[in-house]
Amino acid sequence: SQQGEEDPQALSIQEGENATMNCSYKTSINNLQWYRQNSGRGLVHLILIRSNEREKHSGRLRVTLDTSKKSSSLLITASRAADTASYFCATDAPFGNEKLTFGTGTRLTIIP
Amino acid sequence: ETGVTQSPTHLIKTRGQQVTLRCSSQSGHNTVSWYQQALGQGPQFIFQYYREEENGRGNFPPRFSGLQFPNYSSELNVNALELDDSALYLCASRQQWTGPETQYFGPGTRLLVL
Repeated sequence: SQQGEEDPQALSIQEGENATMNCSYKTSINNLQWYRQNSGRGLVHLILIRSNEREKHSGRLRVTLDTSKKSSSLLITASRAADTASYFCATDAPFGNEKLTFGTGTRLTIIP
Repeated sequence: ETGVTQSPTHLIKTRGQQVTLRCSSQSGHNTVSWYQQALGQGPQFIFQYYREEENGRGNFPPRFSGLQFPNYSSELNVNALELDDSALYLCASRQQWTGPETQYFGPGTRLLVL
């Protein structure tokens, strides 16, 4: 079963704008990660945030984590056409062998 | 590009048949996980292999089985295929105990069951 929901399910923005997507999860976690997937191909790891962290940055990416609300957000700044993809959050639970539980994904389209 | 490869890239089978999918791990990785991704959904964990033994299993029936070989490559076998088995099958490899962010995914095998 999916860990939780991501919203929006789909998002279209103009190139250069910022994109924000949200993820909610159901159980306690060790870490939360964000992945990108182009056209139903393999997953590419973007960024990881640990359960004791609240915010993390990597290049144009900013991730926040609120464990009290069991939610996370991914912000992509200054979007580019190449950012067009599906984005998934994935969590791993304590004592879970680092098995990943994915959300349902957000389909992001950047309009040139 | 990661060092994880999968074969075949695409496959068409009919209901009731059996299928074997293959995954070659990135060099030095001793743990392989398999995921099923139905169209429009996020991946779901099938099972994980570490040192040739199953090391965790998701909510999948026994007709989904796997193997890991001494060189850490892996196979996913699915018997008695059903229409709902149509999906993208992803494998991921990593070195055990190095953290989930060190996991690399292969490009996937797209299976269509008719």
